[in-house]
Amino acid sequence: QITLKESGPALVKPTQTLTLTCSFSGFSFSTSGEGVGWIRQPPGKALEWLALIFWDDEKRYNPSLKNRLTITKDISKNQVVLTMTNMDPVDTATYFCAHRRWRTGGVNWFDPWGQGTLVSVSS
Amino acid sequence: SYVLTQPPSVSVAPGKTARITCGGDKIERKSVHWYQQRPGQAPVVVIYYDSDRPSGIPERFSGSNSGNTATLTIGGVGAGDEADYYCQVWDSSSDHPVFGGGTKLSVL
Repeated sequence: QITLKESGPALVKPTQTLTLTCSFSGFSFSTSGEGVGWIRQPPGKALEWLALIFWDDEKRYNPSLKNRLTITKDISKNQVVLTMTNMDPVDTATYFCAHRRWRTGGVNWFDPWGQGTLVSVSS
Repeated sequence: SYVLTQPPSVSVAPGKTARITCGGDKIERKSVHWYQQRPGQAPVVVIYYDSDRPSGIPERFSGSNSGNTATLTIGGVGAGDEADYYCQVWDSSSDHPVFGGGTKLSVL
């Protein structure tokens, strides 16, 4: 059974850097094909994909946020870390991490998801 | 960047069939995945690879994909199906996932 859980600060100030950790179990980055993504959801709004990291350390970023995002993985700890710089009140959202599932031919989806963590940006 | 378009809301009477659409340019060439998000909860995949159901998802949930529209169909809708539903594809040109804007399903 795969489980994921997000952790990080509930409140950050504008201009600060947000660091979120996704701790997971039930799979390992030592296995070919594995991946973890980050997705956020502002209150009352839609899902927005942020970043994705693969077992081979390939990374993908949302082009509109690429300059602010960094995603890394720690194989020994079974963790994925997302950092987002220069936080703004519009970045207030619930941040989810999710396990990537795939099939050949560029088919990728997210299952399961963590419970999410609400991050508020305010001075 | 690839764009997915969903209606903001769909309403259906209890016991009837709900159809939620996801529009995109030649979307039939892509694999579409659907997520259900109940209030205050994380999304859960209900359909993947256009029409496959994960274990534990009722057979009432089905998916199709043709032309420029993918459709999530929920038969025999009940109050427990009230949720937001999101479609998602992988945009091969930009090599990243894309989500639709979500559809709120209301059971009258």
